[in-house]
Amino acid sequence: DTEVTQTPKHLVMGMTNKKSLKCEQHMGHRAMYWYKQKAKKPPELMFVYSYEKLSINESVPSRFSPECPNSSLLNLHLHALQPEDSALYLCASSQEGGVRVGGQYFGPGTRLTVT
Amino acid sequence: SQKIEQNSEALNIQEGKTATLTCNYTNYSPAYLQWYRQDPGRGPVFLLLIRENEKEKRKERLKVTFDTTLKQSLFHITASQPADSATYLCALGHGSGNTGKLIFGQGTTLQVKP
Repeated sequence: DTEVTQTPKHLVMGMTNKKSLKCEQHMGHRAMYWYKQKAKKPPELMFVYSYEKLSINESVPSRFSPECPNSSLLNLHLHALQPEDSALYLCASSQEGGVRVGGQYFGPGTRLTVT
Repeated sequence: SQKIEQNSEALNIQEGKTATLTCNYTNYSPAYLQWYRQDPGRGPVFLLLIRENEKEKRKERLKVTFDTTLKQSLFHITASQPADSATYLCALGHGSGNTGKLIFGQGTTLQVKP
């Protein structure tokens, strides 16, 4: 199975809502990532988990809270978002980082709209 | 500050020709460079990875070169087809200390006309 799945595909939420994005992979990858992508822009890294521990947080506002319950799952908890947070949220995984790094496998993304 | 530039936002070529995309970078010493393809509304798809000690990599109709002196990578698609039309992203990464952290270029949208 070489697929990364993300749910939901689309999400509309108000600024006072709490919601979660979910990501799953069964490739045995030990690094997982959250990216944010705005229209006609490249993906921007938000968080990196390595062996289920948070290894990189790219100064993301606290209204985004990542969680890695196990080696196959990655969640992104959302709370009190702003309209400018509307974007495509992409999850990715890779074998691991460092010198043995390989390509990253991306999911289809969750299209988030904050109203 | 670190900067990655892909030569143009859009590139139009005729079917059968070779498409050449350029990725230049400054203020950065990447351990490796990757190329991805992204179709509208979908996640990027990994194509090729080339390390700093490698000059060239090939995969089917794709070829990537990496010149750390010029701080440039070239991405070639030979015998291009309309199905190759997509946005192509280059991404640079560090080897040590940063688990797979990638910085993406802005992307070049390739249009192959029949």
